[in-house]
Amino acid sequence: QLVLTQSPSASASLGASVKLTCTLSSGHSAYAIAWHQQQPEKGPRYLMKLNSDGSHSKGDGIPDRFSGSSSGAERYLTISSLQSEDEADYYCHTWDTGFGVFGGGTKLTVL
Amino acid sequence: EVQLVQSGAEVKKPGESLKISCKGSGYSFTTYWIAWVRQMPGKGLEWMGIIYPRDSDTTYRPSFQGQVTISADKSISTAYLQWSSLKASDTAMYYCARLEGSSSSSIDYWGQGTLVTVSS
Repeated sequence: QLVLTQSPSASASLGASVKLTCTLSSGHSAYAIAWHQQQPEKGPRYLMKLNSDGSHSKGDGIPDRFSGSSSGAERYLTISSLQSEDEADYYCHTWDTGFGVFGGGTKLTVL
Repeated sequence: EVQLVQSGAEVKKPGESLKISCKGSGYSFTTYWIAWVRQMPGKGLEWMGIIYPRDSDTTYRPSFQGQVTISADKSISTAYLQWSSLKASDTAMYYCARLEGSSSSSIDYWGQGTLVTVSS
């Protein structure tokens, strides 16, 4: 079964970097994922598509501070030079034939 | 500029019907799949189903099959999500989103969401 696992919460200081993790279920380590950001009281925003080899393509207007990487079944979103507006929920998302799956989301707090 | 603009918030009573919309612009509406995603209060994102507006080919997540109907009118670049008999548990924010490629691909654009409140 295709499942994405995320830690429920993370925190980091203003100006620092943070690395969020999304883990693909067993047997699905070759799958690409996407990262989406949902700021408080707003709709989701597409950040990037991230392939198993770590290559990624970002959405329109996404700053260079956001980057992605991969290792085995793990997919990472790194945010550098954290700003207050980065405080948000971050969802990973993957897909198979005709359907999509979301991780449970990670709530990022910027201290 | 790609845009998905959804219809406004709705307040309904249990048992009532409802149809919400998602209008695409800035791209060829008929050649990209549209997904519907539910977000219940305080919860995460849930995949509901997808539609290909060119031929209205539709796939539902099993838990939503029979509970909602996804449709599209390609002549006005609009996708719909409808209920024939709402329940209180349908209270949620509903998002439409565009898939970047095939029916098995990433979401690359989101609508702003439609809040549906079902209460007696």
